Amino acid sequence: KNQVEQSPQSLIILEGKNCTLQCNYTVSPFSNLRWYKQDTGRGPVSLTIMTFSENTKSNGRYTATLDADTKQSSLHITASQLSDSASYICVVSLRSEGYKLSFGAGTTVTVRA
Amino acid sequence: GAGVSQSPSNKVTEKGKDVELRCDPISGHTALYWYRQSLGQGLEFLIYFQGNSAPDKSGLPSDRFSAERTGGSVSTLTIQRTQQEDSAVYLCASSLRPDSHPPDTQYFGPGTRLTVL
Repeated sequence: KNQVEQSPQSLIILEGKNCTLQCNYTVSPFSNLRWYKQDTGRGPVSLTIMTFSENTKSNGRYTATLDADTKQSSLHITASQLSDSASYICVVSLRSEGYKLSFGAGTTVTVRA
Repeated sequence: GAGVSQSPSNKVTEKGKDVELRCDPISGHTALYWYRQSLGQGLEFLIYFQGNSAPDKSGLPSDRFSAERTGGSVSTLTIQRTQQEDSAVYLCASSLRPDSHPPDTQYFGPGTRLTVL
């Protein structure tokens, strides 16, 4: 059973609009949570990383939040651009084996002009 | 600088054949990882190499899968007697300091898309 669940599976938004992606995890003991962006035909690229003591992290128009108590994270995209069309993957690692990552299935975002 | 590179980018093979997938990590990165990404699924950990330590092979799905890393750099993932369920994108990643807290970012290659007919 996947320990990282993401929603929605996919969404379509108009250019310039905002959107929020959700991630719930059951990985324990938790070390850190990352959001990756994966363009079609490319490998994932790290957007943000948060440890259990952090509750928000920004990278340009991307803002990630973390609630370690409820084991939920979100990724907010502000003023979306066509280049934001990609799959966004939530990734969680264990405190004991930090290199071994648990990946969500991703949310596919399509930005339309 | 150069990122992680993988070859081939696409591989089509017949069921029962052996395939070799290659990964060139970022120069100086001591850690190397292989993952499998099936359609609609999250990335699945396969194997982890760190320096001269014994690799973590706990993610390899069967004994048909093996990997080696020569000279602490290039790695090859070998799948013997391929099956249709092996069809997926195989991603390689490398990182500089996997034992740091939090662990260093893993940098991914573009992947090899394997199709077993």
